[in-house]
Amino acid sequence: EAGVTQSPTHLIKTRGQQATLRCSPISGHTSVYWYQQALGLGLQFLLWYDEGEERNRGNFPPRFSGRQFPNYSSELNVNALELEDSALYLCASSHSEGGFLYEQYFGPGTRLTVT
Amino acid sequence: AQSVAQPEDQVNVAEGNPLTVKCTYSVSGNPYLFWYVQYPNRGLQFLLKYITGDNLVKGSYGFEAEFNKSQTSFHLKKPSALVSDSALYFCAVRGVYNFNKFYFGSGTKLNVKP
Repeated sequence: EAGVTQSPTHLIKTRGQQATLRCSPISGHTSVYWYQQALGLGLQFLLWYDEGEERNRGNFPPRFSGRQFPNYSSELNVNALELEDSALYLCASSHSEGGFLYEQYFGPGTRLTVT
Repeated sequence: AQSVAQPEDQVNVAEGNPLTVKCTYSVSGNPYLFWYVQYPNRGLQFLLKYITGDNLVKGSYGFEAEFNKSQTSFHLKKPSALVSDSALYFCAVRGVYNFNKFYFGSGTKLNVKP
């Protein structure tokens, strides 16, 4: 069974630009989560998508947004990039709500560097 | 509110010795607790979880964790550490009212020296 995949592996952008990160969940998983892992800050919850809808978001400004496609893959967009957006962005997937026993499975991450 | 705390930024242990990585939680209601490991430049890998039942949970790679309700702790343990266990370990609790929201600790770096 293929795991969660993310692309690109690395992304370098300049301040003010937009970044788009992509994630494909494990087959059969309908929930996708995005996390930001900045140096020294642990994992910060960004967004949760399920069945194409945004279900919850963390404490991040609106310039962090995304969507989930009919095939359950997801895209994270970061507009007006700032230097402090430099981080590892992790995507995870799981079965959807109701399956509260289900753990989240993580992808390898996209390293975003803003210069 | 739900949260977890990992009081140690770093744990150093010699190969062959037992290891413990500490985690305490704060949650209203019954907690669903998880441990993940992150190797350098890689995503998180699931190690084990506690949902209900036996307080001692066994997971991948010989790790186990003990749920202690009175001390609100969920410490990760291994009887004999390997150099290859060196990684970043995260404790997480699942939201009680929002099952799909995970709250992660700040992580503990485990260094196992030969």
